[in-house]
Amino acid sequence: GESVGLHLPTLSVQEGDNSIINCAYSNSASDYFIWYKQESGKGPQFIIDIRSNMDKRQGQRVTVLLNKTVKHLSLQIAATQPGDSAVYFCAETPGGGGNKLTFGTGTQLKVEL
Amino acid sequence: DAGITQSPRYKITETGRQVTLMCHQTWSHSYMFWYRQDLGHGLRLIYYSAAADITDKGEVPDGYVVSRSKTENFPLTLESATRSQTSVYFCASSDHFGLAKETQYFGPGTRLLVL
Repeated sequence: GESVGLHLPTLSVQEGDNSIINCAYSNSASDYFIWYKQESGKGPQFIIDIRSNMDKRQGQRVTVLLNKTVKHLSLQIAATQPGDSAVYFCAETPGGGGNKLTFGTGTQLKVEL
Repeated sequence: DAGITQSPRYKITETGRQVTLMCHQTWSHSYMFWYRQDLGHGLRLIYYSAAADITDKGEVPDGYVVSRSKTENFPLTLESATRSQTSVYFCASSDHFGLAKETQYFGPGTRLLVL
């Protein structure tokens, strides 16, 4: 069936380094993608989104890249800080309407001091 | 700006009891969702609602009941709790128009333990 998955379950980075979290998706009809951050004991928090008609979108310290050819999504965090330690989920919504999202299982980002 | 709230935040119950988890949002969003989050499964959709009095099943609806008599509230009821329903439950909402209408905003979660 269709799924959204992550390549790495855990990513450890040094404070100040850049982090890259990857996500593969299999539904070629997906037209909207979102990255969420979930800190321990809290609900998922919206970080950044991107539509399928874009390849790149930047926010504050975060960039999302979309490669539709290989169905790959990535989240780049610049100058990673201890507060970035969390689980990151990618989510997709298939085309054709409706507001449901399909979530990946998540990647744990650990920032080492 | 209260946003989206859930109650209770923590709940311990026994097998066979009925439990209702509450969700309230102040944005007047059309869509509301209930998810459960378990290790190894990520977020799984239980039920969702496109508007008041319109609900539909998600991926794992068995054992759960929802209602939506008002736009701002979306309670989730476990009619007869089972141990397999021990989980963290998240409510979310999203709007029906706008450039990012599919973006869902989540509540803080309810941690449910069924003994």
